[in-house]
Amino acid sequence: SAVISQKPSRDICQRGTSLTIQCQVDSQVTMMFWYRQQPGQSLTLIATANQGSEATYESGFVIDKFPISRPNLTFSTLTVSNMSPEDSSIYLCSVYEIGRLNTEAFFGQGTRLTVV
Amino acid sequence: AQRVTQPEKLLSVFKGAPVELKCNYSYSGSPELFWYVQYSRQRLQLLLRHISRESIKGFTADLNKGETSFHLKKPFAQEEDSAMYYCALKGYNAGNMLTFGGGTRLMVKP
Repeated sequence: SAVISQKPSRDICQRGTSLTIQCQVDSQVTMMFWYRQQPGQSLTLIATANQGSEATYESGFVIDKFPISRPNLTFSTLTVSNMSPEDSSIYLCSVYEIGRLNTEAFFGQGTRLTVV
Repeated sequence: AQRVTQPEKLLSVFKGAPVELKCNYSYSGSPELFWYVQYSRQRLQLLLRHISRESIKGFTADLNKGETSFHLKKPFAQEEDSAMYYCALKGYNAGNMLTFGGGTRLMVKP
């Protein structure tokens, strides 16, 4: 099973600034994702981080606001740009391990972001 | 489009009582269904998957294709079962994305 380290675990940021969240996996994985978990709501997929190419964003999320890097198969970053209080949320890094019989998603511990 | 619905945001039961967390899905095909759990101050983790037909920590879930449901059940709830539970679906569309339900917070009272 994949072990995911995410940092920072939490941060309080001023509006208008940007925060970069790092995600490190202990093994090479093909599929790496970023989710947002807003208070009292479900996990919403922000984008798929593609190694060697631009990330694939879901509806409602754009690269200018959430630029993503994926320089290799074990690491990715998500930047939350020009933050506003509405961006206060938990951001989660996730990877899938797809086996012949099983699929399982593994998650980082999350980054709790508060924008003031 | 694939969708997962968990109608209850909060479910509160007493210790020893049966518990059922509801999950309904919509998907035009045969999806894979999962239950994920997040205990307090821990990361989200897989609880069980329908393919394995397993019982984990006393929990079971049966995929009912006719009702498009995948309800999570346990006959006797324990206090340590208190957590956030998410039902998830993986279809076979491009990207094989996991779609999560809104989550149900289970509180087991002593």
